[in-house]
Amino acid sequence: RKEVEQDPGPFNVPEGATVAFNCTYSNSASQSFFWYRQDCRKEPKLLMSVYSSGNEDGRFTAQLNRASQYISLLIRDSKLSDSATYLCVFLPGGGSYIPTFGRGTSLIVHP
Amino acid sequence: NAGVMQNPRHLVRRRGQEARLRCSPMKGHSHVYWYRQLPEEGLKFMVYLQKENIIDESGMPKERFSAEFPKEGPSILRIQQVVRGDSAAYFCASSPDAAGGTNEKLFFGSGTQLSVL
Repeated sequence: RKEVEQDPGPFNVPEGATVAFNCTYSNSASQSFFWYRQDCRKEPKLLMSVYSSGNEDGRFTAQLNRASQYISLLIRDSKLSDSATYLCVFLPGGGSYIPTFGRGTSLIVHP
Repeated sequence: NAGVMQNPRHLVRRRGQEARLRCSPMKGHSHVYWYRQLPEEGLKFMVYLQKENIIDESGMPKERFSAEFPKEGPSILRIQQVVRGDSAAYFCASSPDAAGGTNEKLFFGSGTQLSVL
């Protein structure tokens, strides 16, 4: 099993839709989780951290399911500007503090 | 407060030449990470450095690649005798603490696009 797996997509949704992505990880010792956004081969930018209790930032909601070892990102009321690649990131734990990136999920929001 | 600065943005080299990529972390950041991204691929970790120390280079090829982060000046990723397969986007990220610390978020530079002819 790969360290981290994401559906590459693309997810093609109309404006206003709700869309959700999952990201599974293999190392149960992983402690910290994040979602980053990357536009058109530009640098990744932090979107939000993922907390055990789940957290929300405007239209974005992140959740962690430790039992099933995945994190999720929910985007409500999609905007055209949400079109990007969403990368899940985690710290493997077990003494490793190297942020590990998923391959990314491509989102295309169309009018 | 300037962000992470990488230069050059674009670098073209012929096979066999050397490529030197520079990264200046954000002010106050002492931890630097280098990642490589191939087309249609995710970011792959290469090396993690602190000032004057290589902490983890497990993602870096054993040959032709080296990295440093001197006491003064930027971090340098050096690729000797480049081959076409080295063509990729190379991103540098910095953080104030080590990942796993209290302020572990990474801030990325704009990247260097290396093209090997």
